[in-house]
Amino acid sequence: QKEVEQNSGPLSVPEGAIASLNCTYSDRGSQSFFWYRQYSGKSPELIMFIYSNGDKEDGRFTAQLNKASQYVSLLIRDSQPSDSATYLCAGSIKAAGNKLTFGGGTRVLVKP
Amino acid sequence: ETGVTQTPRHLVMGMTNKKSLKCEQHLGHNAMYWYKQSAKKPLELMFVYNFKEQTENNSVPSRFSPECPNSSHLFLHLHTLQPEDSALYLCASSQGGLAGAPGQFFGPGTRLTVL
Repeated sequence: QKEVEQNSGPLSVPEGAIASLNCTYSDRGSQSFFWYRQYSGKSPELIMFIYSNGDKEDGRFTAQLNKASQYVSLLIRDSQPSDSATYLCAGSIKAAGNKLTFGGGTRVLVKP
Repeated sequence: ETGVTQTPRHLVMGMTNKKSLKCEQHLGHNAMYWYKQSAKKPLELMFVYNFKEQTENNSVPSRFSPECPNSSHLFLHLHTLQPEDSALYLCASSQGGLAGAPGQFFGPGTRLTVL
């Protein structure tokens, strides 16, 4: 079982809609979680981090963490074509010595 | 310069060459990392340095040799690489080791092609 798993997509979203991305992790003792955005040919850019159960909002982005169910999600409201990118979920996975472990990423396509 | 910088941005080398990748962080962080990103694969952590000390070597072949002379600079020395080593090599830094908030910040990467 992979330590951090994401659906590779692509997730196709109409402009203005909500994009919902999910990520699951294997180790219940894991603490901090991060969402990165990576445009094609570019490096990952940190957009959100969360370590408490519940929701965390930053502009059009909302991260949700549910430690009991071991999943993290990212909602992108009012999706724009510029949001088209690969979104990487990463977690501080206890079983991996608290290293930052990345999922494979979900590709998001926002269509005008 | 701001953030995390990497040079060169692109590198093409033969299997018998020796080259080095350079990373510099201007964020006052004390931890630095090398990652490898290959097509269709998740980011792979290669090395971690915390306060100049190597704290993680993720079973990386010896043809990759890291060097961290101080908390702001990180090198990756390359020799006798294989074509399968062609990838995007990313440097990152963070305040505090491993995976503490607020997270790791990445440089632009070096696109490496081994012929």
